[in-house]
Amino acid sequence: DVKVTQSSRYLVKRTGEKVFLECVQDMDHENMFWYRQDPGLGLRLIYFSYDVKMKEKGDIPEGYSVSREKKERFSLILESASTNQTSMYLCASSPSRRGYTFGSGTRLTVV
Amino acid sequence: KNEVEQSPQNLTAQEGEFITINCSYSVGISALHWLQQHPGGGIVSLFMLSSGKKKHGRLIATINIQEKHSSLHITASHPRDSAVYICAANLFGNEKLTFGTGTRLTIIP
Repeated sequence: DVKVTQSSRYLVKRTGEKVFLECVQDMDHENMFWYRQDPGLGLRLIYFSYDVKMKEKGDIPEGYSVSREKKERFSLILESASTNQTSMYLCASSPSRRGYTFGSGTRLTVV
Repeated sequence: KNEVEQSPQNLTAQEGEFITINCSYSVGISALHWLQQHPGGGIVSLFMLSSGKKKHGRLIATINIQEKHSSLHITASHPRDSAVYICAANLFGNEKLTFGTGTRLTIIP
C-alpha cells in the first residue's frame, strides 16, 4: 500500500516562528499536494508540486512556501507563523490523476 | 457557486438504513473521487470514477456523465460508517482536485 507520512500529528508553535511541515511518500508519485482544512471552508489547496523542484501555487499560497528537493519529500514552510494559520494540514500524493493518497494530517496550533 | 456541490450537508440515520449522498458538478471532469474522513483522522480515498459504477463491500459509487451527477450509497449502514464523506473532481486537464463541502454522516445504533 502507498503510504504518505506526515512528520507530526499535533504541533504547537508560537507566533512568528518558522514552521516546517514534512511529508514523505513511498511510491514514486509525481504529484504532491498540501491542503489546509478548516471548519465550514473544507479543503483548500495551498501548493502543488508535479516534479522535483517544480511547484505551483494553489488557492491560498499567501504566508506559505514549499520545497521539493527529492521526489519523495514535499515540505510546507510557514515563514512566520500567525494565529490565522492554526488549522489541520493534509498532504497528498498522486501518480498523475490515478487516485490520491492522503496523509493522516498535522493539527497545527499557533499561539 | 462552487463547481462541485454535495448534498445533504448533514445526514443522521438509524443503523441498517440505506444511505445516499449526492454530488453534482457544473463543468467537464476527467475523474470523480469519493473520500472518507473519520473524526480527527486523515482522509481515505474510497473510489475514483470516470464512468459507470464501482462497488467495494457495502459501498457503491455511481456516476452519470450526461447529468453531471454522482452518488455514494452505503447499504446496511453501521455506526462505524459515521464520518465525513467528501466528493472531489479533477476538472479537465487539471491534476488538482476541486472539493465539495462534505457530508457529515452519523449512524445511530
